[in-house]
Amino acid sequence: QITLKESGPTLVKPTQTLTLTCTFSGFSFTTGEVGVGWIRQPPGKALEWLALIYWSDDKHYNPSLKNRVTIAKDTSKNQVVLTLTNMDPVDTATYYCAHRREKTYFFDLWGQGTLVTVSS
Amino acid sequence: DVQLTQSPPFLSASVGDRVTITCRASQGIARYLVWYQQKPGKAPKLLIYGASTLESGVPSRFSGSGSGTEFTLTISSLQPEDFATYYCQYLNNDPYMYTFGQGTKLEIK
Repeated sequence: QITLKESGPTLVKPTQTLTLTCTFSGFSFTTGEVGVGWIRQPPGKALEWLALIYWSDDKHYNPSLKNRVTIAKDTSKNQVVLTLTNMDPVDTATYYCAHRREKTYFFDLWGQGTLVTVSS
Repeated sequence: DVQLTQSPPFLSASVGDRVTITCRASQGIARYLVWYQQKPGKAPKLLIYGASTLESGVPSRFSGSGSGTEFTLTISSLQPEDFATYYCQYLNNDPYMYTFGQGTKLEIK
């Protein structure tokens, strides 16, 4: 059974750097074209994809955020970390990590999400 | 980049109704279209991929169709648990980017 869970701060100040951790279980991040992605959703708004990392360490970023976002994995801990610099109130959102099914183009399982508020 | 436009943005319907939600792509995307369901305060749930393939465990009252630029999600007989927001999604390969539609909120009439 695949599970993912996001963790990190619930409140950050403008200009600070956000670091979120996705801890997963039930799948191996060492074989195949498995991927873990981050998606966010501002309150009352649509989903926005942020980044994705493959088992091979290949990484992809949303072009609109490319200079601010970084994704990394720690295979030994079954974790994927998202970093978003220079936070702004418009970055207030629920942040989800999700499992990208092997050799596909969609996210089949999602974490519960974590709400991050940016405010001074 | 491929843009996805969903219509309508809001839909009011009753239990037992048949409803259809449309997702239009700004250019042809073959059948690489995905549908998710999201209930308030919950994470999205995968419903359909490949435009029409039902994810395991998803009730058969859900169906998807379309190819190219126009796609539809149909719920044949609405159940109380179907009232939610529905999103379509596509993976653009150049630039590499997952794009979501703006969502369709299905409400109880």
